[in-house]
Amino acid sequence: QSALTQPRSVSGSPGQSVTISCTGTSSDVGGYDYVSWYQQHPGKAPKLMIYDVNKRPSGVPDRFSGSKSGNTASLTISGLQAEDEADYYCCSYAGASVLFGGGTKLTVL
Amino acid sequence: QVHLQESGPGLVKPSETLSLSCIVSGYSISSGFYWGWIRQPPGKGLEWLGNIYHSGTTYSNPSLKSRVTISVDTSKNRFSLKLSSLTAADTAVYYCATYYSGSGSYYWSSWGQGTLVTVSS
Repeated sequence: QSALTQPRSVSGSPGQSVTISCTGTSSDVGGYDYVSWYQQHPGKAPKLMIYDVNKRPSGVPDRFSGSKSGNTASLTISGLQAEDEADYYCCSYAGASVLFGGGTKLTVL
Repeated sequence: QVHLQESGPGLVKPSETLSLSCIVSGYSISSGFYWGWIRQPPGKGLEWLGNIYHSGTTYSNPSLKSRVTISVDTSKNRFSLKLSSLTAADTAVYYCATYYSGSGSYYWSSWGQGTLVTVSS
């Protein structure tokens, strides 16, 4: 059981859009619509940003959106702001198991 | 709102067993949901350790299965983690969290603040 694959880092300038990918298999990402995304600032606990592939919890800006195609899920952040700089993790339900991605560091230039 | 708080030793010796507890407030564990443990080694990513349902049904990471024991005490509204045969590689921040499972959804809805556990002699 391997972790989901995410790019180690992405970057963008304020106002731009960035997309973070999360690749799994047909046993996890591709098999269920239960992909969630978490934002983590240094020294803090992760915060839920997207659940069930593309749903936003209340309080999360609509600049954050999610999607999925086959075995790859994506998190898109539009209108980048300085406070978006953080680590982002994807997570997938996999039946009797839960998988996290390795994490992506987002740098706002 | 669900609040979770981890408690346990900050330093444990190699080969020993780590015991952590998570006190839940704002929600009764016996009402539902899964309750889980996740860890994060310094400078690294998140790793799922295991979940427990209020009924006591458990699911564990296959890579750690033989070392992980998760239990629940509904009378005290808390759940616990035991991790045996510790090595330095088990040094991490350990989080307890709620794995929301309802209405066809699965996601980590609430997290504790995390507790740093160092394995060292």
